[in-house]
Amino acid sequence: SQTIHQWPATLVQPVGSPLSLECTVEGTSNPNLYWYRQAAGRGLQLLFYSVGIGQISSEVPQNLSASRPQDRQFILSSKKLLLSDSGFYLCAFRDRGYEQYFGPGTRLTVT
Amino acid sequence: EDQVTQSPEALRLQEGESSSLNCSYTVSGLRGLFWYRQDPGKGPEFLFTLYSAGEEKEKERLKATLTKKESFLHITAPKPEDSATYLCAVHSWANDYKLSFGAGTTVTVRA
Repeated sequence: SQTIHQWPATLVQPVGSPLSLECTVEGTSNPNLYWYRQAAGRGLQLLFYSVGIGQISSEVPQNLSASRPQDRQFILSSKKLLLSDSGFYLCAFRDRGYEQYFGPGTRLTVT
Repeated sequence: EDQVTQSPEALRLQEGESSSLNCSYTVSGLRGLFWYRQDPGKGPEFLFTLYSAGEEKEKERLKATLTKKESFLHITAPKPEDSATYLCAVHSWANDYKLSFGAGTTVTVRA
């Protein structure tokens, strides 16, 4: 069966510090991968998606970036965090169908 | 651009009090409509996919239906464990890799 992992689960970082969030998927090959951000009480905002290794599409201009160094690994990064980067970050994958399956999420607080 | 509107924003129910959630959508060719359940602090959990008007799907106390303009999620005789935020999303022919999400309906079921 397919599983998706995210870490860390929670993170508190000062403004201006770097960020690296990791997502890995098991039990599938060549999935589409997604990064979303969910602000408190709001909907899901798509940040990046990838249809293959090294292929990244950005949805929202910001100080975040994404990379896909391996088929089932997706990384979200920032060189310098802003207060507005706080939120709940979700990784998701899409396999053979159209539905997406989400990971457990990372709660990021920028102080 | 695909648009998804969910109503109401919040719904408070007494245990056993059946109700429905609404998801209205505007898309350029619907490929699929999806329902998710999200518990606080967790990633969304996939519930159903609906592909065409008239289709229905059921899971325990939940039943999802689809028309050409909207979808309903019916909760029959809810229990406190049905308390969650329910998200609706659409996949259209115009956006092959992405889903468009609604803001969600938060359901609270009191014992």
